[in-house]
Amino acid sequence: GAGVSQSPSNKVTEKGKDVELRCDPISGHTALYWYRQSLGQGLEFLIYFQGNSAPDKSGLPSDRFSAERTGGSVSTLTIQRTQQEDSAVYLCASSFNRINYGYTFGSGTRLTVV
Amino acid sequence: DAKTTQPPSMDCAEGRAANLPCNHSTISGNEYVYWYRQIHSQGPQYIIHGLKNNETNEMASLIITEDRKSSTLILPHATLRDTAVYYCIVSPGERGQGGKLIFGQGTELSVKP
Repeated sequence: GAGVSQSPSNKVTEKGKDVELRCDPISGHTALYWYRQSLGQGLEFLIYFQGNSAPDKSGLPSDRFSAERTGGSVSTLTIQRTQQEDSAVYLCASSFNRINYGYTFGSGTRLTVV
Repeated sequence: DAKTTQPPSMDCAEGRAANLPCNHSTISGNEYVYWYRQIHSQGPQYIIHGLKNNETNEMASLIITEDRKSSTLILPHATLRDTAVYYCIVSPGERGQGGKLIFGQGTELSVKP
């Protein structure tokens, strides 16, 4: 596709349930990033995939959060046993593997935990 | 990663130039300066980046001081659609890796008629 696609655009879930958020990056982009943005806050880095290298998971807030990227393309962010503080917009971005190339962001998934 | 300092908010009159400052006094030699903006309820949008030379594209100009400790993003003729939060980020551009970007709080620019 022409841009980074994220699904679903909105997700309401009950506390304690697991959720999966999907990101389809731009074709050919080897780098993929997940961020989250709580209401009125800045962007918080979560995880970064680059080609076949081990992902940089340094931003994941707890072991309830995990992400995978299959075949170097689609990525899924999974949150287990969701908590109310997980409510946020989860943003995915992708870029080429180049020293100075900008990211393209998707429109995000708005997650609400009730 | 080097940190940046930006004013929390700025106003600009429509049609005038918007000059958004950023301090990055601890920037190291291999770190680039990136600018992104986020319009309400949208994902961030890449604007421009630079290493040490001034840069210009269809959206904006980036002026980096000679010592690289600060920079200014210039929107030459601001419109109401430029109202957004503008983020200045420095990040190492290690060869072969895009590098993750760490976003700060940014500057909320309000363009007024």
